[in-house]
Amino acid sequence: GAGVSQTPSNKVTEKGKYVELRCDPISGHTALYWYRQSLGQGPEFLIYFQGTGAADDSGLPNDRFFAVRPEGSVSTLKIQRTERGDSAVYLCASSVEETQYFGPGTRLLVL
Amino acid sequence: GIQVEQSPPDLILQEGANSTLRCNFSDSVNNLQWFHQNPWGQLINLFYIPSGTKQNGRLSATTVATERYSLLYISSSQTTDSGVYFCAGNTGNQFYFGTGTSLTVIP
Repeated sequence: GAGVSQTPSNKVTEKGKYVELRCDPISGHTALYWYRQSLGQGPEFLIYFQGTGAADDSGLPNDRFFAVRPEGSVSTLKIQRTERGDSAVYLCASSVEETQYFGPGTRLLVL
Repeated sequence: GIQVEQSPPDLILQEGANSTLRCNFSDSVNNLQWFHQNPWGQLINLFYIPSGTKQNGRLSATTVATERYSLLYISSSQTTDSGVYFCAGNTGNQFYFGTGTSLTVIP
């Protein structure tokens, strides 16, 4: 069956711009996670959704980051006023019975 | 937050060799999992192993939850095993990942 998909696969933007990153989870998975991975590091938790609601957004680094999941399926991570330090791979995972399945990630480069 | 230490940080193996990777947690976690990140960046779940031992082909994992560590065994390594291995566990909703073990298997 289809796995987790993320679009775009790569995104290059300029400092100060707004970006949206999309995640399509595995059908039927109610739990969805966003992570950020910098080079040489493990994924860093950003936000967790259970259904439509953000059950835990404690990992979002500041108020420039926001995520939604309006219908309990597709999720969008939104970054305002991007900074060069936001450059990283943004990973999405969906989960059933605690096992996480990751998408291929979006590589974001802020120039 | 929880600190996750993985050892060794880097490992080079001759094809066919065996290895053991270790993961230590600074505090108790739930839902401990092992992942393999291939050279193209895709993370694949290897084991969901909050406690006990599991085996899947050439791979096996053991978690001793009371001592807050887990081990991943790779036997008869193959070049396709190359990549970075991560362990992760959660407290509440937040998952904590280690910094990984980078494995290179040479033919």
